[in-house]
This record gives sequence, C-alpha cells and structure tokens, in this order.
Amino acid sequence: ELKVEQNPLFLSMQEGKNYTIYCNYSTTSDRLYWYRQDPGKSLESLFVLLSNGAVKQEGRLMASLDTKARLSTLHITAAVHDLSATYFCAVDSTYSGGGADGLTFGKGTHLIIQP
Amino acid sequence: DAGVIQSPRHEVTEMGQEVTLRCKPISGHDYLFWYRQTMMRGLELLIYFNNNVPIDDSGMPEDRFSAKMPNASFSTLKIQPSEPRDSAVYFCASSLYPSSTWVETQYFGPGTRLLVL
Repeated sequence: ELKVEQNPLFLSMQEGKNYTIYCNYSTTSDRLYWYRQDPGKSLESLFVLLSNGAVKQEGRLMASLDTKARLSTLHITAAVHDLSATYFCAVDSTYSGGGADGLTFGKGTHLIIQP
Repeated sequence: DAGVIQSPRHEVTEMGQEVTLRCKPISGHDYLFWYRQTMMRGLELLIYFNNNVPIDDSGMPEDRFSAKMPNASFSTLKIQPSEPRDSAVYFCASSLYPSSTWVETQYFGPGTRLLVL
C-alpha cells in the first residue's frame, strides 16, 4: 500500500521567513504533485515533478524531487500572508508504465503566515 | 475552458435517501477521477475512469456507492442509501493521458459538499 507522509502537519510562521515542507512516500513512483487548498475551496495545482532531481519554482514556492530518497520538498521563501493555505503532496502510483493513476495524498500541511 | 464542473455544489439529505453527484470533465481529457475529502480520512480516491471505462474502483467504500461514465463529458457518483458517515466533500478531477516525458496535472472541480442528516 502506497503511503504518503507530510511534515509538519501544522506550521505557523512569520512573514519574511523561509521554511520547508517535507513529503515522503513509500514506493517507487513516477510522479509527485503539489496542490494548494484554501479553506472551503477546491485544490489548485502547484507543481508536477517527474524525475529525480527535478526542481520547479513559481514565485516564492520551489519544489524538488529526490526519487532515490522518495522525498519531495516544498520550500517557501520570504513568506507572505497570501501563502497561508493547506498544502498537499500526492503521488501517482503508476510505476514505469503508461497511463495515469489515481493520486494518494498526504494529510496536508496547514500553513499560517502571520504578518 | 470552464474547467471541471460539478453539481450540485451543496446537498443536504436525510439518511436513507439516494444522492446523485454529477461531474463534467474538461473537454478532451482522457481520465476522470472521483475523490472524497473528510477531516478524519483526508483525501481519498474512490474510483477513476479512462476513456469512460472504470479502471480502479477499489476505493469505493461500500456497495452503496456506484459510479458511471456514460460518455466522455459526464459522470455520476451515486450513494444509495445514504448514511451520515457519507458526509464529506466529493471532488471530481480530470486529466489528459500522459506521455513518457510529460504529465499534466489533475484538474479538480469545485466539489460537492454533502451532508447526510
């Protein structure tokens, strides 16, 4: 059974600070996804990471993937209040094959950024 | 494109009633997924379709749950009879078929908030 673990689950930080959210998964996977969810809203896609060493950046968010360690990180640089949300990582359990699969999600990291 | 469309957005019903949730995926997408989100269990995959064919329904909790995709632009998730523990937000998502070097994300709809009394 594929397991996805995020930490921390809750994070309160001040504006201007840097922090990293970690996502570990239990089996070999082709793809790692990061989503953002605001309260009462749907999931917004942030990144899809496909290969070892992949790094993607969008604004103050940067995601990386280490498939050997089965670890992805989401780094927040100089946090601002607007980044307050819950962040989920998810893994597509398709393995070296074609097609797509349903996602297995972590429990999410509830991030609060205080002015 | 309007994105993934779900209806209704909110549903309140009484235990024992039948509930039908609807989803229209993004035009041209090959995959359609149904997920459920609760505080206790988080986000869970229920079932997904590829080209209208159910591929994996191992996440469907009980026989009370059923899903269909009669055509490429419409899917339903039905709960009959509904129970209070079915209360959750149900999301539909869609995506394209991935290549060996490229994968597009799964696009989520706004969700249906279901409350079973």
